[in-house]
Amino acid sequence: GESVGLHLPTLSVQEGDNSIINCAYSNSASDYFIWYKQESGKGPQFIIDIRSNMDKRQGQRVTVLLNKTVKHLSLQIAATQPGDSAVYFCAENPSAGGSYIPTFGRGTSLIVHP
Amino acid sequence: EAEVAQSPRYKITEKSQAVAFWCDPISGHATLYWYRQILGQGPELLVQFQDESVVDDSQLPKDRFSAERLKGVDSTLKIQPAELGDSAMYLCASSWTSGSMVTDTQYFGPGTRLTVL
Repeated sequence: GESVGLHLPTLSVQEGDNSIINCAYSNSASDYFIWYKQESGKGPQFIIDIRSNMDKRQGQRVTVLLNKTVKHLSLQIAATQPGDSAVYFCAENPSAGGSYIPTFGRGTSLIVHP
Repeated sequence: EAEVAQSPRYKITEKSQAVAFWCDPISGHATLYWYRQILGQGPELLVQFQDESVVDDSQLPKDRFSAERLKGVDSTLKIQPAELGDSAMYLCASSWTSGSMVTDTQYFGPGTRLTVL
């Protein structure tokens, strides 16, 4: 897996702008991906998911794009609001002997300036 | 809205002491997960239960950590003895379907912040 350090990648945006958060995953056998939002002092919160037979999925103000060729995920947040400020994690569910063991990637800290 | 409950929310202990964390998953959720999250990193799976059985505990340091889910509902994670490097957030999550389903969305609790002095 990826090595991670104490310093998270950070994305700073102005309120109302669109945000794009990127994630590279490691296992080509992964067939299910999830984006989580984690606010300070709280557990991760499910945002949106996508299966490997899709390349795009839209939710309310959020869109996830999946590029299996380069093993890349992105989360797009439209009209970013101050309440969107949090750490965002992507997670993959690679198959491991029939059980799905979720693996979290490195987080990205999103800071929204009013 | 149903939530995953965890207690305590914060725990400060001295090294070599024993600590225990409790988790009550969303009612009806068969699968329960314990994660450890070090500051600045993503959650790392420690143990996964399907009902009362352990599905995966390959990342659980078994010399000092133990986990149980005796009746297939709530769960306890114990550390004995605690070490300085155990300071982290311990997260519990649950999901409705079995661990073998592809779309196994997890719902996380608020976590227990452990500080070992």
